[in-house]
Amino acid sequence: AQTVTQSQPEMSVQEAETVTLSCTYDTSESDYYLFWYKQPPSRQMILVIRQEAYKQQNATENRFSVNFQKAAKSFSLKISDSQLGDAAMYFCAYYLWGNQFYFGTGTSLTVIP
Amino acid sequence: GAVVSQHPSRVICKSGTSVKIECRSLDFQATTMFWYRQFPKQSLMLMATSNEGSKATYEQGVEKDKFLINHASLTLSTLTVTSAHPEDSSFYICSARDLGDIGGYTFGSGTRLTVV
Repeated sequence: AQTVTQSQPEMSVQEAETVTLSCTYDTSESDYYLFWYKQPPSRQMILVIRQEAYKQQNATENRFSVNFQKAAKSFSLKISDSQLGDAAMYFCAYYLWGNQFYFGTGTSLTVIP
Repeated sequence: GAVVSQHPSRVICKSGTSVKIECRSLDFQATTMFWYRQFPKQSLMLMATSNEGSKATYEQGVEKDKFLINHASLTLSTLTVTSAHPEDSSFYICSARDLGDIGGYTFGSGTRLTVV
C-alpha cells in the first residue's frame, strides 16, 4: 500500500523568511500525482500545489514551489517570503489515477511575526 | 474554479438520532465523491468512495449500516450518520473530482458533527 510520510509534525518560520516542509512517499507506480494541501483553522482543505509525476520540472505557484525527487520519492514544499496567512496545517498527498488519496499526517506551520 | 458545497457546517444532534450531510458540486459534474473523517490534529481518513448511480465503496472498518452514502445525481452525494453516538462526533469532509481537470480534486468546507 502507498504511504506518505511527513516527518515534521511542527515547523515554525519567521515572517518573510523561507521554510521547507518535507514529504516522502512509497509507491511502485510510475505515473501518479502529488499534492500539498493547506488546512487553516477554518478546516477548509485548500490546494496549494500539485505535481504530475511524469513531469520533470518542479511545480511552482507564486511563493510556493516543490522539490520533486522521483527516484528518492521525495516531495518537499518550499514557502518563500512567509506570510502570517500561511500559518496552517499542511498535508502532503499522493494520488494514483482511479484510486484514492493517501495523506500524510500533516505538518503544523507557525509563522512568527 | 471548481466549488464543492458541503452542508451543514456544524450540527449537534442527540444520541440515537440520524444526521444527513450533503455534498454538492456546484459548477461541475462529479461521478465520484469521497467522504473523509478527521479527528482533531490528525490526518484525513477515507471512509468511502461514493459512485453516482451505484453503491458506495467503503474502507475497511467503516460500518456501512451506520454511514449511509447516497449518490443519486452527478452533483450530489449525501452521508447519513444513523443512530449517532458520541463516538461518531468528528469532522467530516467530502471531496469531488472535476472530470475536466485531470488530478483536480476539490474539498468541501467540512461538517463538524457533535453527538450529545
